[in-house]
Amino acid sequence: QVHLVESGGGLVKPGGSLRLSCAASGFTFSDNYMAWIRQAPGKGLEWLSYIDGTSSDTNYADSVRGRFTISRDNAQNSLYLQMNSLRVEDTAVYYCVGDVSQIRNAGDWGQGTLVTVSS
Amino acid sequence: DVMMTQSPLSLPVTLGQPASISCRSSQGLVYEDGSTFLSWFQQRPGQSPRRLIYKVSNRDSGVPDRFSGSGSGTDFTLKISRVEAEDVGVYYCMQATHWPWTFGQGTKVDIK
Repeated sequence: QVHLVESGGGLVKPGGSLRLSCAASGFTFSDNYMAWIRQAPGKGLEWLSYIDGTSSDTNYADSVRGRFTISRDNAQNSLYLQMNSLRVEDTAVYYCVGDVSQIRNAGDWGQGTLVTVSS
Repeated sequence: DVMMTQSPLSLPVTLGQPASISCRSSQGLVYEDGSTFLSWFQQRPGQSPRRLIYKVSNRDSGVPDRFSGSGSGTDFTLKISRVEAEDVGVYYCMQATHWPWTFGQGTKVDIK
């Protein structure tokens, strides 16, 4: 059974940085694309980024391109999101997402970690 | 970006009655391999989203068969044949054919 657990959220000032982690289990992590999706408080869902199993294929939403970096460590079965130059509008719950079939189907979600950007 | 427009945005329903949510995309959703990456998610209060349907009409394991998905091109529908109390929540459609993959605004389902 796929299990995804995010960590690393918290309160950060505008312009600051934060690194989110996602610990994965229950599937062959290195074989699968992974992604990050966020949800601002009381708002809808936004895809941020995805990465393939070998870290050779990545993509970003325009809203975070150049500020956020997705990466992974297959030896540790872990996914990361390095977030720099954070803005107030980045305040959201960040979800780690996977799918053993195709990442486009977004079948498996973590419980989320809350990032609050505020002075 | 592909815009996903859901209607209605609020759906009060009577227990045991059917419910239907529409999702319209601003572009066709057929991918180069012939797949249509249109999914439906349920988000109960305080929980992460849970996928119900993928590729238009494929129901996930463990999802009650009262949930069904249909559609093609730019028009898609999620139907609940008989609403139960546990179905309360927000429902989202999502397209993953064109990057950035995008969600609808969400439809809040509650009990009358």
